[in-house]
Amino acid sequence: QIQLQQSGPGLLKPSQTLSLTCGISGDSVSSSSATWDWIRQSPSRGLEWLGRTYYRSKWYNDYALSVKSRLTINSDTSKNQFSLQLNSVTPEDTAVYYCARLIGNSWLDFWGQGILVTVSS
Amino acid sequence: DIQMTQSPSSLSASVGDRVTITCRASQPISTYLNWYQQKPGNAPSLLIYAASRLQSGVPSRFSGSGSGTDFTLTISSLQPEDFATYYCQQSHGIPYTFGQGTNLEIK
Repeated sequence: QIQLQQSGPGLLKPSQTLSLTCGISGDSVSSSSATWDWIRQSPSRGLEWLGRTYYRSKWYNDYALSVKSRLTINSDTSKNQFSLQLNSVTPEDTAVYYCARLIGNSWLDFWGQGILVTVSS
Repeated sequence: DIQMTQSPSSLSASVGDRVTITCRASQPISTYLNWYQQKPGNAPSLLIYAASRLQSGVPSRFSGSGSGTDFTLTISSLQPEDFATYYCQQSHGIPYTFGQGTNLEIK
């Protein structure tokens, strides 16, 4: 069974960098049939897809335009995990952040447990 | 970006009722449409993928249909555990986008 385990801080101050990690068990971050995605959820923005990383002979990333200038998603094959770094956070970045696996080029079939991230001075 | 619009935003129903939730895309997306169920405090859970395919382990009372711009999720006979929020999501193009959700409540 595939499991995604998230870790990272839950409270940040404005202008800081948000760093979250998603550990994978039961699959490989280098899988040629999956992408590894980050999604966040807030009352004001609903469910918002942020970006993904995936391996197809080499590593690729895609980012939502709304966060593209601030977001980096990386993979770590030695630890079988992927990570999110969001720079210069503001209170608008307050949300529950999820990692998830996407397969079939289409659907998100396994999700992490979610981490509530609050940005407040 | 492709906009996804769900209706209704909220719905009250009773155990045993047949319920239909609709999702409309702002442009044609073929059958690149997925449905998720979310209960408070939990991550969304995949119910239906590719518009009509039932995810493994999901009860057969759930079904999906549609293609192009209009899609439906139907629950044939509501069970107590089905009261939750439901989201559609398009995977036709990046960025993937979600509907605003339909909150299914007990009448």
